[in-house]
Amino acid sequence: GQSLEQPSEVTAVEGAIVQINCTYQTSGFYGLSWYQQHDGGAPTFLSYNGLDGLEETGRFSSFLSRSDSYGYLLLQELQMKDSASYFCAVRASEYSGAGSYQLTFGKGTKLSVIP
Amino acid sequence: DAGITQSPRHKVTETGTPVTLRCHQTENHRYMYWYRQDPGHGLRLIHYSYGVKDTDKGEVSDGYSVSRSKTEDFLLTLESATSSQTSVYFCAITGTSDPYEQYFGPGTRLTVT
Repeated sequence: GQSLEQPSEVTAVEGAIVQINCTYQTSGFYGLSWYQQHDGGAPTFLSYNGLDGLEETGRFSSFLSRSDSYGYLLLQELQMKDSASYFCAVRASEYSGAGSYQLTFGKGTKLSVIP
Repeated sequence: DAGITQSPRHKVTETGTPVTLRCHQTENHRYMYWYRQDPGHGLRLIHYSYGVKDTDKGEVSDGYSVSRSKTEDFLLTLESATSSQTSVYFCAITGTSDPYEQYFGPGTRLTVT
């Protein structure tokens, strides 16, 4: 099975930088994804790391260390609209023709951005 | 935005009644998923489909069944709804050309009284 751990809540100041950590335990591992969800909305894809290192997309970056079973999402120049829940998700199996693009999600981190 | 819709968006039903939720996509994506989201649990996979008439169970499949008779439609059925199935249900799709991203529908809020 798979398990993911991420902090339940984080508070940060507008304009600052915040890091949301995710540690995972899986029987197999092919990549770590991050999703954002605003209250009352649907999750939306932010980033994917299949290899170790940093992936940057605008103000958001995501990092993966496979040897440490650890990743993080880094949000820079925080804006009020970044207040949302952030989920890490593990892809634990390779495509096998049987729908193995399954993701297992963490329980989410609620980020509150304050003025 | 990916063309994915869910119906109904809200539903209140009584314990013991059957309920069917519909997910419809216009992207011709092969893979479709049903999740439920509850406070403190994140998103949990109920069932998924890897093609027409090809489905399999996810993490929390007890009490749920699915069907996919057309590429564009994936139905989730609660044969006899229970209060523990009160939740927000999300459908998601993935294409083979972009397997790392799941696109989510707007969700269905189901209340079982």
